[in-house]
Amino acid sequence: GENVEQHPSTLSVQEGDSAVIKCTYSDSASNYFPWYKQELGKRPQLIIDIRSNVGEKKDQRIAVTLNKTAKHFSLHITETQPEDSAVYFCAASRPSSNTGKLIFGQGTTLQVKP
Amino acid sequence: GAVVSQHPSWVICKSGTSVKIECRSLDFQATTMFWYRQFPKQSLMLMATSNEGSKATYEQGVEKDKFLINHASLTLSTLTVTSAHPEDSSFYICSAGPYLSTDTQYFGPGTRLTVL
Repeated sequence: GENVEQHPSTLSVQEGDSAVIKCTYSDSASNYFPWYKQELGKRPQLIIDIRSNVGEKKDQRIAVTLNKTAKHFSLHITETQPEDSAVYFCAASRPSSNTGKLIFGQGTTLQVKP
Repeated sequence: GAVVSQHPSWVICKSGTSVKIECRSLDFQATTMFWYRQFPKQSLMLMATSNEGSKATYEQGVEKDKFLINHASLTLSTLTVTSAHPEDSSFYICSAGPYLSTDTQYFGPGTRLTVL
């Protein structure tokens, strides 16, 4: 079945360093890949997304890259700040045939040390 | 835009009772809403897809008679946990997609259910 693998499960970086989280997906028909940030006890917040017709997308300190051939995509956070500390989830879906059902990765707990 | 609300934000109930959770899209219409369950320090597990005006589609392993879903309008879906037991205690989150697009989803704030 559809599956999304996310690594690492935990990531600790020093403030100002970069953080990279990687995900692989199994369904080659997937064409939409969002990233969510979730703080403890809060709702997941969409931080960036990418569609399969694009290889890279950037929004200030956050960027996402997609390699459709290898079926993997990555989240890059530059100049990390303590407020970036949270759990990050990647997801994949194929909206055109599957009503937009998202399959989530296992999550990465990012800790940014001041 | 794209605000999703949930009610209640938390609920404590006795074992054997039923609990209803509401999910509303406040500023857009959603033909499809999704219900997730999240245990502590774990990922979001999709329970079911709620379609306006039709029966919900449940994921494998989710009991449809235990988790009743109703999507009566384009802005409201409800999840009823019937005969709740302590193992049903979890964080339940809904999401909804904009009416004209089925990819971007926005999440509600979640409902913390504790069954005693």
